[in-house]
Parts: sequence; structure tokens; C-alpha cells
Amino acid sequence: GNSVTQMEGPVTLSEEAFLTINCTYTATGYPSLFWYVQYPGEGLQLLLKATKADDKGSNKGFEATYRKETTSFHLEKGSVQVSDSAVYFCALTLRGSTLGRLYFGRGTQLTVWP
Amino acid sequence: SQTIHQWPATLVQPVGSPLSLECTVEGTSNPNLYWYRQAAGRGLQLLFYSVGIGQISSEVPQNLSASRPQDRQFILSSKKLLLSDSGFYLCAWTGLAGSLTGELFFGEGSRLTVL
Repeated sequence: GNSVTQMEGPVTLSEEAFLTINCTYTATGYPSLFWYVQYPGEGLQLLLKATKADDKGSNKGFEATYRKETTSFHLEKGSVQVSDSAVYFCALTLRGSTLGRLYFGRGTQLTVWP
Repeated sequence: SQTIHQWPATLVQPVGSPLSLECTVEGTSNPNLYWYRQAAGRGLQLLFYSVGIGQISSEVPQNLSASRPQDRQFILSSKKLLLSDSGFYLCAWTGLAGSLTGELFFGEGSRLTVL
């Protein structure tokens, strides 16, 4: 089947620390991969995406590389800020699916302290 | 530009009472629409999706129902709420381009507390 597994939180870091949130997936077809972010009390926003193997998605200093050989899409940021505190969701969809259905991981809570 | 709105933002309801959450999309036509639920400490669970007016598919058996009376309106309902219905409900949409790349656009969410 299709599923996403991401590291469980919570993750607590000091400002300017390096961040990695691991994400691995299983898919019955060729997936597109996403990271969504949910700030406190809000809905989800797309953070970055990659639609084919070896693509690197990037936004707001965050990066993730689509690794087909390891079925992974780990999220990284070199220097986190307090404003990055949020819940991060890894997700996949099967390319070409007219349903547009996303499969989400359970989310990882990130807290950054000043 | 396209926007999505859902309301109410916060709702506190007694067990056994009815529920109606509404979601509307503007600036697009014939979107795919979705209702997700986020329970405390858990991930996102897809509840319903719709590819057109009157077309509703349910992902999990439950106490809730959904309807799509108009192209850009999606309603989540219950006749009698249960304690386990508490959670954060998110409406989302995707258009044709989004269906190909998979990107979903989410509303602000509705927090439901059943007491």
C-alpha cells in the first residue's frame, strides 16, 4: 500500500541549531513527495515538494531531496529560528492520480527555543 | 486567486447534538474537495472526498457524513455527535493542476470539542 513514516517528536532545538526530520515512504506507484507545515491554530501550508527522483525541494531555508533508492524525503534546515516552531507533515501522492489524494505521516512537533 | 474558507473556526457541542461544518472555495471551478480530521496526538485522517457535485466517497466508517450541494461547497455533518468526534477538521481542495502534482490547499481548520 501507500504510507509515510516520519520520526516521532517532539523535537526540541535551540535557535540556530541544525534540523533533520526523517521521512520514509512506501508507494504502489510513482509518488510525488511533500512537506507541509502547520503553525499553531492554523491549517496546513505546503512547505516544499519534489515530483521525481533526485529532485530537491526548497523553501524558507528548508530542503528535502527525493531519494528513490532509500525511499526517503528527509527535511533539513541549517539554522532553525523560533518562528519555525510548528508541526511538520511528510506526505505523498501518486502521480497521475485524478483523486489527488495525499497520504500523510503522523506529523513531527518542532519547538525552537531562543 | 483561489481561496478556501471554512467555518466555524471553533465549536463546542454536547454529546448527541448535530453538527454542520461548511467549506467553500473561491476562484476555481470543479475542484476536488476533501475533509480531513486531526485528532489530538495523531496524524491526519482522510474522512471524505468529492470529485463533483453530489459525489461523495467515504474513507472510513464513522458517525459523520458529507455533502456537496454546489460545485464549490463542501459540508461535513453529523446527526448525533460522539465524544470521539472531537478534533481539528480541515477542508482542502485541489484543482486539475494540483491533481497532477498532488498539492492540496487547506482551509484554516475548525476545532470541534464534544463534551
